Amino acid sequence: EIVLTQSPGTLSLSPGERATLSCRASQSVSSSYLAWYQQKPGQAPRLLIYGASSRATGIPDRFSGSGSGTDFTLTISRLEPEDFAVYYCQQYGSSPTFGGGTKVEIK
Amino acid sequence: QLQLQESGPGLVKPSETLSLTCTVSGGSISSSSYYWGWIRQPPGKGLEWIGSIYYSGSTYYNPSLKSRVTISVDTSKNQFSLKLSSVTAADTAVYYCARLPHYVGAFDIWGQGTMVTVSS
Repeated sequence: EIVLTQSPGTLSLSPGERATLSCRASQSVSSSYLAWYQQKPGQAPRLLIYGASSRATGIPDRFSGSGSGTDFTLTISRLEPEDFAVYYCQQYGSSPTFGGGTKVEIK
Repeated sequence: QLQLQESGPGLVKPSETLSLTCTVSGGSISSSSYYWGWIRQPPGKGLEWIGSIYYSGSTYYNPSLKSRVTISVDTSKNQFSLKLSSVTAADTAVYYCARLPHYVGAFDIWGQGTMVTVSS
């Protein structure tokens, strides 16, 4: 099983700031199958990024993904009030797994 | 637009079998482009993939749950279902169903989720 470790656990930032979230895999992940989700309290996760860097339908371009191999990054260029949430990475190999999540909170 | 809706009991007794159904509306579950999956989230914790199914009935499961999980599909009703046997309090969670386009490798459409509590 591929273990995904997300860091930091919590990111305290102000609106307008840049957020950089990390996802590290225990073994190499195909870039085609690395995704990022946003989850707000009481809601289902929403797909943001798939294939490591492709934005899902309707996702603003302030969200971007990058990385390959075992290290992946989600960047939010300028935080909007609605971006404060928990973010998960996910790999889709023979057995999909999710990272533990990074909470982006208002500073 | 495509929507998914989970349904089933919100309370299950320990050692019994948890049964949930996901109804797909606004599209066909028989499309060759998609897998359909179950994911769960214990209160205050992260996401755990349970398993996925193709419209043909092909399944694959989380190895850690495989001995207790059965996922099936009913194309005539546009539904797929989850059965989790021998449940314990550790199985208490919000259970989500979701669509997974095989060309995307990610869950792009999710149901709203249903809370299942395991308690006597």
